[in-house]
Amino acid sequence: DVKVTQSSRYLVKRTGEKVFLECVQDMDHENMFWYRQDPGLGLRLIYFSYDVKMKEKGDIPEGYSVSREKKERFSLILESASTNQTSMYLCASSLLKLEGYTFGSGTRLTVV
Amino acid sequence: KNQVEQSPQSLIILEGKNCTLQCNYTVSPFSNLRWYKQDTGRGPVSLTIMTFSENTKSNGRYTATLDADTKQSSLHITASQLSDSASYICVVSDTTSGTYKYIFGTGTRLKVLA
Repeated sequence: DVKVTQSSRYLVKRTGEKVFLECVQDMDHENMFWYRQDPGLGLRLIYFSYDVKMKEKGDIPEGYSVSREKKERFSLILESASTNQTSMYLCASSLLKLEGYTFGSGTRLTVV
Repeated sequence: KNQVEQSPQSLIILEGKNCTLQCNYTVSPFSNLRWYKQDTGRGPVSLTIMTFSENTKSNGRYTATLDADTKQSSLHITASQLSDSASYICVVSDTTSGTYKYIFGTGTRLKVLA
């Protein structure tokens, strides 16, 4: 089974801190994605990547950046955390572009 | 604007009963429609996938239907179990202008009571 591992289940950070959320997949998938999930809003795409060192903005990239130096790892970076970035963050990967995602378990980030 | 709307927002049923969750979408053209199950505090897990030419797809006690003409899908759960308590998310792929994008519904939160 494909496994997508997010490094932390819960994180609490202070406003202004730089935050790194790590995601690793173990099945050589080309495509990786970062979403945030908020009540009543569903999943919203932050950034995605179709290849190493490649990144594309999703629907809500403001305040975020990403890094994909290796195929299996896709990192989400909050340059200066703010309280409105408190959310559940979900990483996903897929082998083909229109194939279904395998999601990680999520990281619940609280910014205080 | 391409959208996916789900109803009801939440649902409570007794163990053993059946239920049906609805998904209406305006995404066009679309490639496929998926239903995901998301347990509290976990990532979503795929239940079913249907292309525009398919009408029904089953996965154990879960049966999804699709009417591409009316742009409606439903997820029917038979003989519900306590472990079915979760959020169920409808996702439609948007292939407008060759882009590759999934549109997520906001989900239906199901609670199964003993």
